[in-house]
Amino acid sequence: GGIITQTPKFLIGQEGQKLTLKCQQNFNHDTMYWYRQDSGKGLRLIYYSITENDLQKGDLSEGYDASREKKSSFSLTVTSAQKNEMAVFLCASSMGIAEQFFGPGTRLTVL
Amino acid sequence: GEQVEQRPPHLSVREGDSAVITCTYTDPNSYYFFWYKQEPGASLQLLMKVFSSTEINEGQGFTVLLNKKDKRLSLNLTAAHPGDSAAYFCARITGNTRKLIFGLGTTLQVQP
Repeated sequence: GGIITQTPKFLIGQEGQKLTLKCQQNFNHDTMYWYRQDSGKGLRLIYYSITENDLQKGDLSEGYDASREKKSSFSLTVTSAQKNEMAVFLCASSMGIAEQFFGPGTRLTVL
Repeated sequence: GEQVEQRPPHLSVREGDSAVITCTYTDPNSYYFFWYKQEPGASLQLLMKVFSSTEINEGQGFTVLLNKKDKRLSLNLTAAHPGDSAAYFCARITGNTRKLIFGLGTTLQVQP
């Protein structure tokens, strides 16, 4: 078994601020993902990475940067937080195109 | 092409009743399907994975049916209990891409 950890659990930022979310997995999975979950809109893929230093854009990459520093970690940066933005950011990992396992999430609030 | 339509968005049943959630898709190149469960405040938990060669998969208290001809995937809870109250999401992977395409989810409430 393995585990995915996300930090922080709650993130409160100011409008225009640059905010970074972190994700670690010990499954030894090659692929990692960042999703945004909004109420009523399901999950939307922001970025994914199939190996260390690789980066692939998802459907919602505008306004975000990502970095796969090493195989076990994948970070996401909100480049300029938008006022009244509230969402849950979920990190996931998989081995190839097999099932994805999800972390507990980071809940973002922008004041 | 890419979308997955999931119905119903909300479902309320009594304990012991059955509950059915359905997803339809249009892309004929969909090979892998998944059902995830998300309890309030928690993350997504994998319930079942289904490959295109499999038509029926059974889990603990639920059955997943894949109708390839109609491009329909369903999750059938046979005798729901309050612990089944959660949001359920279907998802699919196409071809050799690693992108999961999710349905919008179904919020299931099981009344005691």
